[in-house]
Amino acid sequence: NAGVTQTPKFQVLKTGQSMTLQCAQDMNHNSMYWYRQDPGMGLRLIYYSASEGTTDKGEVPNGYNVSRLNKREFSLRLESAAPSQTSVYFCASTLSYEQYFGPGTRLTVT
Amino acid sequence: AQSVTQLDSHVSVSEGTPVLLRCNYSSSYSPSLFWYVQHPNKGLQLLLKYTSAATLVKGINGFEAEFKKSETSFHLTKPSAHMSDAAEYFCVVSDQPYKYIFGTGTRLKVLA
Repeated sequence: NAGVTQTPKFQVLKTGQSMTLQCAQDMNHNSMYWYRQDPGMGLRLIYYSASEGTTDKGEVPNGYNVSRLNKREFSLRLESAAPSQTSVYFCASTLSYEQYFGPGTRLTVT
Repeated sequence: AQSVTQLDSHVSVSEGTPVLLRCNYSSSYSPSLFWYVQHPNKGLQLLLKYTSAATLVKGINGFEAEFKKSETSFHLTKPSAHMSDAAEYFCVVSDQPYKYIFGTGTRLKVLA
């Protein structure tokens, strides 16, 4: 089992460019999450998907969109990147309250 | 509303001495509480969780935490620190489905 995988690992964007962060899990979990991690702020929830076909906003959804493509995959899209979106992005899935995290995507917006 | 406070942003201990990382929480309901560890440039790994069973919870790598409702605390301890314990530790509270609130983290340094 690969667990939770994320691509890419690193990305540099210019302001205004768009990109999609990919996340997949092979544990058959129903719920999936996207977080961002900034220094001194812990992890903050961007969006989550309780089950296939549903998505909901978290604490910091502005500037992002998500797609729950199927049970395995949950993508995060930045339509027009801004320097404030420079961060490390983590995807997670959950079973019985326990969250399983991917290795993260380090995104820099210049 | 739920919230979590990690009382120390940095903790330094000598190898072989006890570790104490402090966490206080606020919750209107009976919360679930977690400790996660993050090694440099890695994802987060669950150390232990409390979900209304035994108040003393044992986790991986010799870590423990005690849920104290009267003090609204969930401190993480380990009797003897190892160099490999150097990492960032996050306390997390959840009292609603799909909502996990993370503390701001405690960076543990282990001195040889």
